[in-house]
Amino acid sequence: AQSVTQPDIHITVSEGASLELRCNYSYGATPYLFWYVQSPGQGLQLLLKYFSGDTLVQGIKGFEAEFKRSQSSFNLRKPSVHWSDAAEYFCAVGKGGGADGLTFGKGTHLIIQP
Amino acid sequence: KAGVTQTPRYLIKTRGQQVTLSCSPISGHRSVSWYQQTPGQGLQFLFEYFSETQRNKGNFPGRFSGRQFSNSRSEMNVSTLELGDSALYLCASSSRATGGTGELFFGEGSRLTVL
Repeated sequence: AQSVTQPDIHITVSEGASLELRCNYSYGATPYLFWYVQSPGQGLQLLLKYFSGDTLVQGIKGFEAEFKRSQSSFNLRKPSVHWSDAAEYFCAVGKGGGADGLTFGKGTHLIIQP
Repeated sequence: KAGVTQTPRYLIKTRGQQVTLSCSPISGHRSVSWYQQTPGQGLQFLFEYFSETQRNKGNFPGRFSGRQFSNSRSEMNVSTLELGDSALYLCASSSRATGGTGELFFGEGSRLTVL
């Protein structure tokens, strides 16, 4: 079965600093990978997704992620964070062919220091 | 266009009762998925419906059920509530039967508290 690990439960970053959130997945074939963000009291919003092709994908709000097959990783990055980026970030993996929904990581809580 | 709408947003039930949650997808979306979010287990897939048919189901007991209507609106029902059913229940819609492949648009959730 597929699984997703987000090793960092909490991350604190100063406003304006760069950010990298880690995500490792376990899946036998090429996965469908996603990053979602959840603000307090809100649902999840898709930041970006990777299906195939270029391993560096661009998303909304200035985020990007790089798929590294050799490391089974799909880390999320942003060159300069804003206070409004404080939220919960979830990495997710899905199978192709419409099976079993998405498997989410436990999430990383991002705190922005002024 | 309007997003995914879930009702009610908050509700409190007691053990043994049942609850029905409703989800209206984005107009034109025919796929609706349900997820349970708890602090301990995180986000877990419950089931997905497409064109009134359940296509996928997660690893939850039979007390959790759902259905989808011809207008793509969906309901989920939890019978014989247990304390552990306290959670945020999220509905997500998509324009096609996605399984794990498509972009999901999430509602704000229904927060269920079981006393």
